[in-house]
Amino acid sequence: AQTVTQSQPEMSVQEAETVTLSCTYDTSESDYYLFWYKQPPSRQMILVIRQEAYKQQNATENRFSVNFQKAAKSFSLKISDSQLGDAAMYFCAYKPGEYGNKLVFGAGTILRVKS
Amino acid sequence: EPEVTQTPSHQVTQMGQEVILRCVPISNHLYFYWYRQILGQKVEFLVSFYNNEISEKSEIFDDQFSVERPDGSNFTLKIRSTKLEDSAMYFCASSDPRDNNYGYTFGSGTRLTVV
Repeated sequence: AQTVTQSQPEMSVQEAETVTLSCTYDTSESDYYLFWYKQPPSRQMILVIRQEAYKQQNATENRFSVNFQKAAKSFSLKISDSQLGDAAMYFCAYKPGEYGNKLVFGAGTILRVKS
Repeated sequence: EPEVTQTPSHQVTQMGQEVILRCVPISNHLYFYWYRQILGQKVEFLVSFYNNEISEKSEIFDDQFSVERPDGSNFTLKIRSTKLEDSAMYFCASSDPRDNNYGYTFGSGTRLTVV
């Protein structure tokens, strides 16, 4: 069974600084997708960034980027120029390549942003 | 941008009562899901639904749970006899067959409180 591990229960970052959230996963599949979701206090799940395992290039979305290390099964999220609105719970999630399969979530990392 | 709509946003029910949580997925999506998040814990998969039947379910999704797509637009989760431990945030999600790498679109969630 696939598992997703987020080893940092909580992280803090100063406003305008950079922070990296860690995620590792375990799978025997070669085709899969990885995601980072943001959950603010409203508890809505918001997709931040996604990565296809077959793509070597790391995904980037504005201030958010990933470091995808397929051999190490590592998928970290880097947030640059952190803003107060980035404060939230962040979940890493895995999905097998076959369409429709469920997302497997990590336990989450609470990100606090200090002004 | 299309949204997944969930109602109600918050429901309080007495233990042993039946509850129905409602969701309107994005209209051209074909896969539908329910996830659960107990406060402070990870997001857990409950069930996936495709072509008018359950395609996968987790151990949590026992005989007390059922899902239905009664009219081609709504997607419901029924809990027959609620327990205190059913108190959680319930998320509906749907996915698009043409955008397999885009993950899922989540609704805003229904907070279920069993007293």
